[in-house]
Amino acid sequence: QKEVEQNSGPLSVPEGAIASLNCTYSDRGSQSFFWYRQYSGKSPELIMSIYSNGDKEDGRFTAQLNKASQYVSLLIRDSQPSDSATYLCAVWDSGTYKYIFGTGTRLKVLA
Amino acid sequence: EADIYQTPRYLVIGTGKKITLECSQTMGHDKMYWYQQDPGMELHLIHYSYGVNSTEKGDLSSESTVSRIRTEHFPLTLESARPSHTSQYLCASSEVSEGYTFGSGTRLTVV
Repeated sequence: QKEVEQNSGPLSVPEGAIASLNCTYSDRGSQSFFWYRQYSGKSPELIMSIYSNGDKEDGRFTAQLNKASQYVSLLIRDSQPSDSATYLCAVWDSGTYKYIFGTGTRLKVLA
Repeated sequence: EADIYQTPRYLVIGTGKKITLECSQTMGHDKMYWYQQDPGMELHLIHYSYGVNSTEKGDLSSESTVSRIRTEHFPLTLESARPSHTSQYLCASSEVSEGYTFGSGTRLTVV
């Protein structure tokens, strides 16, 4: 059973700080990784994708991938109260054409 | 502008009624998915489709059924709704390993 693990949180950070969200996955052959943001009562929204080892930056968001250690992380710089949401890590399973989701980490940014 | 549409947005219905939740996408994606999610809980895959006339059951057993007669349309049907079916139902589509686009969801309440 392929798995994606996340700490459920809540992770509380003060406004302006860096929020660090982590995710580990079990399938060493995984190639495609995604971060989704889900506000309460809303559907998930894709915010970052990463396919190669290293960092990928998009505005205040940085995704980091380390395939050797089988983890992917999301850094949010200058965190804002509007970033308060649940962040879902997902891994593409090329064998079944499905995404495997973690349970999500709830982030709270304190004003 | 949403490229994947779900209707209705909210539905309250009596026990024993037949319901169909609609999902349509304009992106030409072959792969479409239905997820069930209770408030504050993780996503559960209940059905997916690789293309026209292809449907598969997901990881969570569901009494619902789906059909895929046209690429853009992936409706979900409950023949006899029960209070245990009360949940949020999310439809998604994707190109291979490029991340999901989710619809806005249907919040179903069975009374």
